[in-house]
Amino acid sequence: AQSVTQPDIHITVSEGASLELRCNYSYGATPYLFWYVQSPGQGLQLLLKYFSGDTLVQGIKGFEAEFKRSQSSFNLRKPSVHWSDAAEYFCAVGPPSGGYQKVTFGTGTKLQVIP
Amino acid sequence: DTGVSQDPRHKITKRGQNVTFRCDPISEHNRLYWYRQTLGQGPEFLTYFQNEAQLEKSRLLSDRFSAERPKGSFSTLEIQRTEQGDSAMYLCASSIQPDNEQFFGPGTRLTVL
Repeated sequence: AQSVTQPDIHITVSEGASLELRCNYSYGATPYLFWYVQSPGQGLQLLLKYFSGDTLVQGIKGFEAEFKRSQSSFNLRKPSVHWSDAAEYFCAVGPPSGGYQKVTFGTGTKLQVIP
Repeated sequence: DTGVSQDPRHKITKRGQNVTFRCDPISEHNRLYWYRQTLGQGPEFLTYFQNEAQLEKSRLLSDRFSAERPKGSFSTLEIQRTEQGDSAMYLCASSIQPDNEQFFGPGTRLTVL
């Protein structure tokens, strides 16, 4: 069964500092990988996704993620965090194309940004 | 089209009552998903529709839960005889075949007293 692990429940960074959120997945083949962001009381917004090709994926709001097959990881990074990035971040995994796409989410990492 | 919409945004009910939530997907999207999210957890898959057909239901979807998408457009999720454990955020998402990027609505927060 597919699964996602986000080992950091809560992370605090200073505004302007760099950020890396960790995500490890378990899946039998190369999956589709996603990062979503959720602001309090809101739905989820897709930051970026990886299907194939270049393992470094660029997303919205200055975020990027790198797929590392050997480590089963898909870590999210941002070089300089803004106060508006404070939110909860979810990594998710889904099967490759074909059929419908059941997506499994991690438990999330809550990001706090301090001045 | 402004995205996936859900109604109501908040619902407070007493234990034992029935509740119904509505989801309007992005108009051209033929796939629709329901998820449940509890505090401190990621969204958990509940069920999936392709057009009007309900193709999969999670074990989380007990007999008290029923979902419909009668004309392949909007969907409803009904919970009968609500229990306090049903308190959660219920999220709806949609996508268009064959793309698998899911667009989420703002969710309906249910509180069962």
